[in-house]
Amino acid sequence: RKEVEQDPGPFNVPEGATVAFNCTYSNSASQSFFWYRQDCRKEPKLLMSVYSSGNEDGRFTAQLNRASQYISLLIRDSKLSDSATYLCVVISFQKLVFGTGTRLLVSP
Amino acid sequence: NAGVTQTPKFQVLKTGQSMTLQCAQDMNHEYMSWYRQDPGMGLRLIHYSVGAGITDQGEVPNGYNVSRSTTEDFPLRLLSAAPSQTSVYFCASNKDRAGEQYFGPGTRLTVT
Repeated sequence: RKEVEQDPGPFNVPEGATVAFNCTYSNSASQSFFWYRQDCRKEPKLLMSVYSSGNEDGRFTAQLNRASQYISLLIRDSKLSDSATYLCVVISFQKLVFGTGTRLLVSP
Repeated sequence: NAGVTQTPKFQVLKTGQSMTLQCAQDMNHEYMSWYRQDPGMGLRLIHYSVGAGITDQGEVPNGYNVSRSTTEDFPLRLLSAAPSQTSVYFCASNKDRAGEQYFGPGTRLTVT
């Protein structure tokens, strides 16, 4: 089993839709979690951290489910500019592991 | 601040050639890392450094060397390029080991 797994997608959604991605991790001792965004042929950039109690940043909501060992990213009111690949990052004992990413395509 | 810079942006090598990918950061970060990104494989850690003079191996270190003589610079050397090293290489730096990583724009390397 991979340490961090993501559905590669692509998720095709219309503008204005709500879409959610999950990311599962295998190490129950994992301590920190992040979502990064990567545009085509560009470098990854931090989208948001994921806190135990869940957190929101505008249209984006991140949640952590330790019991089932997954994190989620919810995007409300999707925009064309949200089209990108979303990478989850899990940190265990200061070791960072990246997921392979979920591709999102938002269409008019 | 320029953040993390990488040169070159693109490179084509023949099998057996050597080269150095350059990486520099101006944020005074102690931690720097090199990753390679291949389709379907995600980002894989090649080497990392926790400060000047200290480097360590990541997940896929074979065929690569690094050094960290200054806080700012972290070059990656390919000793004898192989087609399996065709990839996109990203350098990253972060203030804390478990904190946000700032990535450079990447180097697209093709080995023929």
